[in-house]
Amino acid sequence: AQTVTQSQPEMSVQEAETVTLSCTYDTSESDYYLFWYKQPPSRQMILVIRQEAYKQQNATENRFSVNFQKAAKSFSLKISDSQLGDAAMYFCAYRRAGTASKLTFGTGTRLQVTL
Amino acid sequence: NAGVTQTPKFRILKIGQSMTLQCTQDMNHNYMYWYRQDPGMGLKLIYYSVGAGITDKGEVPNGYNVSRSTTEDFPLRLELAAPSQTSVYFCASSYGSSNTEAFFGQGTRLTVV
Repeated sequence: AQTVTQSQPEMSVQEAETVTLSCTYDTSESDYYLFWYKQPPSRQMILVIRQEAYKQQNATENRFSVNFQKAAKSFSLKISDSQLGDAAMYFCAYRRAGTASKLTFGTGTRLQVTL
Repeated sequence: NAGVTQTPKFRILKIGQSMTLQCTQDMNHNYMYWYRQDPGMGLKLIYYSVGAGITDKGEVPNGYNVSRSTTEDFPLRLELAAPSQTSVYFCASSYGSSNTEAFFGQGTRLTVV
C-alpha cells in the first residue's frame, strides 16, 4: 500500500521569506502523480500544484514550486515570497496512474506566516 | 458553476442515530469520493465510486454505506452513529484521469455525543 509522510507538523515563515515543506512517499509503482493541497481555516481543499512522475522537470505555479526526487521518493514544496494568505494546512497527496485511482494523503503541515 | 456541494455543514448526532450526508456535483465527473479528516491526521478514504451504480470500499468503510444512483449524487449514510465517527467529512469528485484535479466540497463537521 502507498503511504505519504509529512514529518513537519508545523512550520513558521516570515512574510516575504521562503519556506520548504517536506513530503516523502512509498510506492512500488513507476507511474503516478503527486499533489500539494492547501486547506485554509475555511476547510476548503485547494489544489496548489501537481507533478507527473514521468516528468523530470519540477512543476512551478507562480510562487509555488516543487523539488521532485523520484529515486529518493521525495516531493517538497517551496513557497517563495510568503504572504499572510499562505497560512494554512498543507497536504501532500499521491495518486497512482490508472483507473479507479485514489488520492492518499499525508498528515499535513500547518504553516504559520508571521509579520 | 457550483462544483461539489455538501450538506449539511454541521451536525450533532446522538449515539445510535442515523443520518445521510449529501453530496452532489455538477461537473459531470465520473469519480466521486468520501473522505474523513480527524484532528492531526490526513484525509482517509471511506468509499469511492467510478461511475453510477459502482461503489467500492476505501481505507475506513466500517459504519458507513454509500450509493451512486446518478452521476451527480453520492450520499454517505451513517448507521448507528458512534463517537468514533466524530470527524470532518469531505466529498470530492474528479473527471477520472489520474492527473486531473480532485475538487472538494467544503466539508461537514459531524459530532456524535
